[in-house]
Amino acid sequence: GIQVEQSPPDLILQEGANSTLRCNFSDSVNNLQWFHQNPWGQLINLFYIPSGTKQNGRLSATTVATERYSLLYISSSQTTDSGVYFCAVEAPFTSGTYKYIFGTGTRLKVLA
Amino acid sequence: EAQVTQNPRYLITVTGKKLTVTCSQNMNHEYMSWYRQDPGLGLRQIYYSMNVEVTDKGDVPEGYKVSRKEKRNFPLILESPSPNQTSLYFCASSFWRESYNEQFFGPGTRLTVL
Repeated sequence: GIQVEQSPPDLILQEGANSTLRCNFSDSVNNLQWFHQNPWGQLINLFYIPSGTKQNGRLSATTVATERYSLLYISSSQTTDSGVYFCAVEAPFTSGTYKYIFGTGTRLKVLA
Repeated sequence: EAQVTQNPRYLITVTGKKLTVTCSQNMNHEYMSWYRQDPGLGLRQIYYSMNVEVTDKGDVPEGYKVSRKEKRNFPLILESPSPNQTSLYFCASSFWRESYNEQFFGPGTRLTVL
């Protein structure tokens, strides 16, 4: 099946710093999403981005489907950005099922 | 407000006592799914449903049952819970269209089986 790898696994930033999180996937996928899991455990939708680039405030994401990776950029980080960031890919139906596969996440801690 | 709701949010139970976690969405989504999240293992799909009366196994279905009798509801049933089912559970829903399948997640249910 498809493997989804995220890097780095852990990241510590000083408030105001910028960062790039990476998601690599091992096969073609139909769709890709980025989520933020806050310290209370809730999964927040950040981007639905099967290809191209999107921006939402201090966050932006780029997916290059042909090269099987996606990047999440966080600029001017704030302590509220702390948590775990997941990417999830939709496996193609040729796998026999309709399913999403999550990466193992990047744990981000932003220090004041 | 468009949302996915789960109940209960927290549950402590004992081995073997049947329980149901409810999931409901108000977005008329066809696709619904259950995940469990465990430290070091990430989120893994338990079951999913493409529409009413259509369900299929995900990666970790053992010990769980689901049903989809109505489009908006997708309950997760643990007939005989065991301690290894202690986990954080999420329900999710989405449309299932060729061009748009964004998933939306419920707030999670933290289950402890003693």
